[in-house]
Amino acid sequence: GDSVTQMEGPVTLSEEAFLTINCTYTATGYPSLFWYVQYPGEGLQLLLKATKADDKGSNKGFEATYRKETTSFHLEKGSVQVSDSAVYFCALRPFIQGAQKLVFGQGTRLTINP
Amino acid sequence: EPEVTQTPSHQVTQMGQEVILRCVPISNHLYFYWYRQILGQKVEFLVSFYNNEISEKSEIFDDQFSVERPDGSNFTLKIRSTKLEDSAMYFCASSQGYNEKLFFGSGTQLSVL
Repeated sequence: GDSVTQMEGPVTLSEEAFLTINCTYTATGYPSLFWYVQYPGEGLQLLLKATKADDKGSNKGFEATYRKETTSFHLEKGSVQVSDSAVYFCALRPFIQGAQKLVFGQGTRLTINP
Repeated sequence: EPEVTQTPSHQVTQMGQEVILRCVPISNHLYFYWYRQILGQKVEFLVSFYNNEISEKSEIFDDQFSVERPDGSNFTLKIRSTKLEDSAMYFCASSQGYNEKLFFGSGTQLSVL
């Protein structure tokens, strides 16, 4: 079945460092791809998404590009801030008409030190 | 921004007991979901609910689980006879359409002793 694999955490960086969180997926067809973020004490929030190959999703300085050839959707940010400390989840929605579920990775905890 | 609210934030129960987790989705949303995350594992889909019936469910969602929208504002997940392995964080979510952005609640941490 469809699955998502994220890089193991936790990840600790200094403020203004470059961030990459790797995400690869296994799925049939062209799933939609997502990054969700969970700040402490809050629910998961959609950070960005891409629905077809070569699409780039972006939000709040974060970017991810849908790479069909490498089945990847890596999350990047050029200069992280302390406020980016959170758990980041990569997810996909299967390429099935009417599919409602999201398939998540295990989450990567990111801590940014000042 | 509107929020999905879940109560309680923590629930402790004894094995074999029934438990009901409650959620208030965003008022104009039509699709409702439950997910769970066992400690250290992936967030897993349990069930989606639309038009007062289950529209999709996972293998995890067996006869021990049920969902209900009793009054047009609440959305509940019932576990009839809890097992130790039901201990997890349970997330409720809602969306306007099945292909639309999901809004998640902050979760209920269920501990089965």
